[in-house]
Amino acid sequence: KQEVTQIPAALSVPEGENLVLNCSFTDSAIYNLQWFRQDPGKGLTSLLLIQSSQREQTSGRLNASLDKSSGRSTLYIAASQPGDSATYLCAATSGGGNKLTFGTGTQLKVEL
Amino acid sequence: GAVVSQHPSWVICKSGTSVKIECRSLDFQATTMFWYRQFPKQSLMLMATSNEGSKATYEQGVEKDKFLINHASLTLSTLTVTSAHPEDSSFYICSATTGTGAIAETQYFGPGTRLLVL
Repeated sequence: KQEVTQIPAALSVPEGENLVLNCSFTDSAIYNLQWFRQDPGKGLTSLLLIQSSQREQTSGRLNASLDKSSGRSTLYIAASQPGDSATYLCAATSGGGNKLTFGTGTQLKVEL
Repeated sequence: GAVVSQHPSWVICKSGTSVKIECRSLDFQATTMFWYRQFPKQSLMLMATSNEGSKATYEQGVEKDKFLINHASLTLSTLTVTSAHPEDSSFYICSATTGTGAIAETQYFGPGTRLLVL
């Protein structure tokens, strides 16, 4: 059974700082790994999707990497802004039926 | 494109009543929809996979008779929480795939429905 863990659970940084969020998964037989953003009381916004054959994906100030062999993915946020404050979730697609297994999330706060 | 809506966005009901939540794909046909629940400060847990025209597949530990899922059309799936109790209070989120049949299709998520059972 796939298990996805994220550390840290919460993170507070000053504006402008670069930061890294970590995601680990127990079953390396994944189809892809996704990073989402969730604002309080809201649904999910897809940020980046990395296919199992890829090593990284970039979108603007965001860069996600994937290391299947070690069961890890990282989300790098450059020059953080207060608007980046949200909960970030990673999710691995594996098994039959395209099931997504979500991590526990990292609650990020970027302070002025 | 690929917009998914949910209705209602929030609902408060009395214990023992049933609540229906709708999930619609607005600009695409979704042969598969997924239902998740999220408790406060916790992650999303898959409840069931819903395929148009067939019975839903429930995850282990999810009561079929408690959470009724109907996927009667290619753009609509409904989740009915029957005889709701306070412990059913949660954030329910649906997602939908475009149904091309490819492995690991992108799931498009709805905005969620917050249920509070008094």
